[in-house]
Amino acid sequence: NAGVTQTPKFRVLKTGQSMTLLCAQDMNHEYMYWYRQDPGMGLRLIHYSVGEGTTAKGEVPDGYNVSRLKKQNFLLGLESAAPSQTSVYFCASTRTPTGELFFGEGSRLTVL
Amino acid sequence: GENVEQHPSTLSVQEGDSAVIKCTYSDSASNYFPWYKQELGKGPQLIIDIRSNVGEKKDQRIAVTLNKTAKHFSLHITETQPEDSAVYFCAASIVGASFGNEKLTFGTGTRLTIIP
Repeated sequence: NAGVTQTPKFRVLKTGQSMTLLCAQDMNHEYMYWYRQDPGMGLRLIHYSVGEGTTAKGEVPDGYNVSRLKKQNFLLGLESAAPSQTSVYFCASTRTPTGELFFGEGSRLTVL
Repeated sequence: GENVEQHPSTLSVQEGDSAVIKCTYSDSASNYFPWYKQELGKGPQLIIDIRSNVGEKKDQRIAVTLNKTAKHFSLHITETQPEDSAVYFCAASIVGASFGNEKLTFGTGTRLTIIP
């Protein structure tokens, strides 16, 4: 069972470059989330989606954009990467708004 | 907004002993408190959760206690085993019929090491 799959797993960018992280889930979940994990700061919500075609801002949305064109996919974009966006990014999905979060294995992004 | 503090940041325990991780929260309206375990190179995984109408919940070797008056909750792991070595995150949220996970505030994590 694939569950939640994130691609790529590792990426190195230069300041100002753009990139997209892809999250795909095969559990038919309505709700999807993007988090970033930084040392000593736990997990912080960037953006989330409550269904196909919807997106909403989380705690730290600045510098990121998202899209949910298909129910199974949730894309996180960085238009102009900054060193402050160096982090490990996690995607999660859930069937209900209060249900267990199912996380992917993470994508480590380094911005030089 | 909600603020969740988690202690200790690192914890080493002899195999077979118990481990306790404590969290405090600031928003008295929070009513849902999950614990996630993150193994090396993996994403976090829910191991146990508790709602504010319950004071304690157990699942085999894992238990969570909640003190609403003091606004703190704790994870207890008994008879620790090597596979318990991981980073543990507590979280708090106000959940309703149509919202919840988007309001989850996570603690900063505890790295638990079980010494064989």
